[in-house]
Amino acid sequence: GENVEQHPSTLSVQEGDSAVIKCTYSDSASNYFPWYKQELGKRPQLIIDIRSNVGEKKDQRIAVTLNKTAKHFSLHITETQPEDSAVYFCAASKRNYQLIWGAGTKLIIKP
Amino acid sequence: KAGVTQTPRYLIKTRGQQVTLSCSPISGHRSVSWYQQTPGQGLQFLFEYFSETQRNKGNFPGRFSGRQFSNSRSEMNVSTLELGDSALYLCASSAPATNTGELFFGEGSRLTVL
Repeated sequence: GENVEQHPSTLSVQEGDSAVIKCTYSDSASNYFPWYKQELGKRPQLIIDIRSNVGEKKDQRIAVTLNKTAKHFSLHITETQPEDSAVYFCAASKRNYQLIWGAGTKLIIKP
Repeated sequence: KAGVTQTPRYLIKTRGQQVTLSCSPISGHRSVSWYQQTPGQGLQFLFEYFSETQRNKGNFPGRFSGRQFSNSRSEMNVSTLELGDSALYLCASSAPATNTGELFFGEGSRLTVL
């Protein structure tokens, strides 16, 4: 079955710097790759997603890239701010199957 | 539009008891999935219901069960509670029928087993 590995488990960056979180997946049939952000004590919320027919997607300071050949996708956050501190989860799925989640990355923004 | 509502928000049980958690999805959403979240363990998928049918199931023992009603509301039940069942239980609803769409999470039910 599908397996999603997420790295690093913890990432600490200086405010204003960029952060990159990477996920790899095993099932080449996976075609949907969302990223969720969970702030402390709050529910996970979708921040960006990408489908397999697209290589990159941007939304302001957030971008996701997908490499189908290597079976990995990454979340890029530029000009990090204190409110970016959270746990980020990646996931992968294919039609009619549930999302398979990564273990999460705790992002710490240092002032 | 009201969000996903979970009840109860907090509950304390003792080992051996059973518990039922409820989830009301966003109006119009037909898919409801359940997750267990423990510190450092991420989101562990329990099961997913679509139109009253269990469509997918995670790797949890049979003590964990669920169901969905005709109005899309869902319940999950845990029988013979163990200390390790202490966790935040999240439900999420989504609209599309193909599992590839945004999940809207509730605030969760925090279960403590003593």
